[in-house]
Amino acid sequence: DAGVIQSPRHEVTEMGQEVTLRCKPISGHDYLFWYRQTMMRGLELLIYFNNNVPIDDSGMPEDRFSAKMPNASFSTLKIQPSEPRDSAVYFCASSPTSGISTDTQYFGPGTRLTVL
Amino acid sequence: QKEVEQNSGPLSVPEGAIASLNCTYSDRGSQSFFWYRQYSGKSPELIMFIYSNGDKEDGRFTAQLNKASQYVSLLIRDSQPSDSATYLCAVNPPGGSYIPTFGRGTSLIVHP
Repeated sequence: DAGVIQSPRHEVTEMGQEVTLRCKPISGHDYLFWYRQTMMRGLELLIYFNNNVPIDDSGMPEDRFSAKMPNASFSTLKIQPSEPRDSAVYFCASSPTSGISTDTQYFGPGTRLTVL
Repeated sequence: QKEVEQNSGPLSVPEGAIASLNCTYSDRGSQSFFWYRQYSGKSPELIMFIYSNGDKEDGRFTAQLNKASQYVSLLIRDSQPSDSATYLCAVNPPGGSYIPTFGRGTSLIVHP
């Protein structure tokens, strides 16, 4: 398996523009997570899906952020309008559900977002 | 508020020494504990998990769990420069949730 795939790997945009980040989870994984990582705040969970359904979006910082998972193999995280403080590395991760609490998460390579 | 605390470091050790990384957590009923390694500019990757009190060994890595004291540690024996990375501790809460809380990580530097 190719692992979790994210695109783009780098994104530079100007304040006010719309940004869309994409993720393809590992086939067969039921959970999909979106994280944001910064030096100041570390790794923050933004939202996660189970079987394509959003379960908890309490980590989404503002209404400017939205996420969708139209099918089991694709998810998007959208920021509209973007702001400089959104600059961070955004990770997508997926996880199987074998029913044990030691299920681990597999992270994608991340998207480094810079908002000027 | 679930909290997972780690010393940000950096922890600097000479090559060949034992590196000891520590993590404390606030949710007493937490069930599973994970250590992820993250190289600079890369994504986190799982290196160990533990869910029973005591030690778990995997090659040069040993995870230690003490639920009564609410801490988990990672020992790296015979440290190598290639072990230089940030180590993230993650804790699964009780109640069957598989959604971990991550610590902010400890930066480890192994110098030749």
